[in-house]
Amino acid sequence: GAVVSQHPSRVICKSGTSVKIECRSLDFQATTMFWYRQFPKQSLMLMATSNEGSKATYEQGVEKDKFLINHASLTLSTLTVTSAHPEDSSFYICSARDLLAGSEKLFFGSGTQLSVL
Amino acid sequence: AQRVTQPEKLLSVFKGAPVELKCNYSYSGSPELFWYVQYSRQRLQLLLRHISRESIKGFTADLNKGETSFHLKKPFAQEEDSAMYYCALGGGGSEKLVFGKGTKLTVNP
Repeated sequence: GAVVSQHPSRVICKSGTSVKIECRSLDFQATTMFWYRQFPKQSLMLMATSNEGSKATYEQGVEKDKFLINHASLTLSTLTVTSAHPEDSSFYICSARDLLAGSEKLFFGSGTQLSVL
Repeated sequence: AQRVTQPEKLLSVFKGAPVELKCNYSYSGSPELFWYVQYSRQRLQLLLRHISRESIKGFTADLNKGETSFHLKKPFAQEEDSAMYYCALGGGGSEKLVFGKGTKLTVNP
């Protein structure tokens, strides 16, 4: 089946630094990818919808200047957490839709655990 | 606004017992409901969707619009069913999904 690769799986950084997370669709093209955030024992919260070749659509309350999204190709979307702070520590998950597999089917990356010291 | 409620954070049953994971939703439009599962140390994956009306790994879920529910059921739970289960809501032509908080199912031997 379709695979979404997310890298890195875990990152620890100092406060004030920026962290980039990559999400790749390995064997299919994804015009749209989604970025979620999950706090411990909480649900996945959609942060933004990443659109290939255009600006991302952010959910209410998500700072677009804080969480930069780039979707430069049909197989790669990146999320950059700029000037990270401890409150940004969370589990970030991306997902992509394989259009050929049917519009309902979302494939998820394995997630990135971000810890900001 | 779209909202998904999974009232049980934890659910524990014995092997061979029936299991039901509850999911209620709130949505003014035509809903699309999904169940996702996350096994230990694995990524989230689709278990089933109401549109296809299929049974996967013995699990079924029926969309009840009157009760705004999409409960996940299995008549005889297996130990390998132990996992985190998320109910998700989409709809209105949007690709976005809203997830419930999840229910951790533990099937004891």
